[in-house]
Amino acid sequence: AQTVTQSQPEMSVQEAETVTLSCTYDTSESDYYLFWYKQPPSRQMILVIRQEAYKQQNATENRFSVNFQKAAKSFSLKISDSQLGDAAMYFCAYRIYNNNDMRFGAGTRLTVKP
Amino acid sequence: NAGVTQTPKFQVLKTGQSMTLQCAQDMNHNSMYWYRQDPGMGLRLIYYSASEGTTDKGEVPNGYNVSRLNKREFSLRLESAAPSQTSVYFCASRGFGGNQPQHFGDGTRLSIL
Repeated sequence: AQTVTQSQPEMSVQEAETVTLSCTYDTSESDYYLFWYKQPPSRQMILVIRQEAYKQQNATENRFSVNFQKAAKSFSLKISDSQLGDAAMYFCAYRIYNNNDMRFGAGTRLTVKP
Repeated sequence: NAGVTQTPKFQVLKTGQSMTLQCAQDMNHNSMYWYRQDPGMGLRLIYYSASEGTTDKGEVPNGYNVSRLNKREFSLRLESAAPSQTSVYFCASRGFGGNQPQHFGDGTRLSIL
């Protein structure tokens, strides 16, 4: 079974600093996709960044970047220059290529201190 | 620019009552999904529909039924609600293409007494 593990239930970061959220997953597949979603208090699920497993280059979206280590089955999210609006729950998710079943981790609650 | 619309946003039921949660998307997506979110457990897939006319079970389908009414709409029904079904329910849709992400509605908070 596919499982996604986020080992940090809570993290905090000082405004303008950098924080890294961890995610590991368990799979025997070689083609898959990985995602990070943000859920602010408004409850909306917002896509932050995505990574295709066949791409070696790590994805980047403005202040958000990932460290994708396929052999280690690790997919961490780095947030640079943290802003107060980054405070939210962050969920790591995994989906096999051509499969509709997406699995989510339990989430990491990020607090940003002014 | 509606995206995925869920109704209602909040609902309180008594044990044994039935309820249908509605979901509609205006992005012409083929795939639609229903998830539940419980504290400390992330989102878990209840049912999904890869295309109009098809539905499949996800990780936690027991106690639920779904209907893919047309390409736009995908409903979730609780026939006899139980307290264990108290949760936040999310509907999502996804366009064609392997790397396409899911787009989520704003969720329905359902409490069963």
